[in-house]
Amino acid sequence: AQTVTQSQPEMSVQEAETVTLSCTYDTSESDYYLFWYKQPPSRQMILVIRQEAYKQQNATENRFSVNFQKAAKSFSLKISDSQLGDAAMYFCAYRLPSTGANNLFFGTGTRLTVIP
Amino acid sequence: DTAVSQTPKYLVTQMGNDKSIKCEQNLGHDTMYWYKQDSKKFLKIMFSYNNKELIINETVPNRFSPKSPDKAHLNLHINSLELGDSAVYFCASSQDRYGGGPGNTIYFGEGSWLTVV
Repeated sequence: AQTVTQSQPEMSVQEAETVTLSCTYDTSESDYYLFWYKQPPSRQMILVIRQEAYKQQNATENRFSVNFQKAAKSFSLKISDSQLGDAAMYFCAYRLPSTGANNLFFGTGTRLTVIP
Repeated sequence: DTAVSQTPKYLVTQMGNDKSIKCEQNLGHDTMYWYKQDSKKFLKIMFSYNNKELIINETVPNRFSPKSPDKAHLNLHINSLELGDSAVYFCASSQDRYGGGPGNTIYFGEGSWLTVV
């Protein structure tokens, strides 16, 4: 079964500090793509960062970076210099190359609160 | 310009009514999706179309009928609305259906909040 686990339903961080959101997944495939999506109170789903499983180098996007551990099937998101606008639900997801079956799997989300 | 746009953003309607949500993408993508996000925030795929052809149809009541007049549009029509249909419905698109290569990212619309009373 394809599953994504986000073990932290809620996290909080002080403004300007760093926080790490964890994500683990389970797949027998070797080729896949990993994503973090952000969902603010407006409910829009915003792509934060993505990682190709075949790349060893961790992806970074400004204050957002990932720690991708393929053998451990772990894909954590680090947010540096947290800002009030980072407060949101964060969803981890991965996508398998396939011929048309449902191939995008989401975790249950982590709610991040940023404390001023 | 919004890449994936859906209307209406908010919809409050009575049980038993029929309603539609429209979605358009201007990314030139071949594949479009409808996802449902329930009150617990869990995202579940409902349908996927590739170039107007239905490729994913998860276990969804047949009161839900998607329609894709062209590959840039995927509308969702819901008949005989029930209280349990209250949710946020997301339209999304990706370059292709396969999930590999540069077309692997799925882009979401802003969501349509449906409340059935």
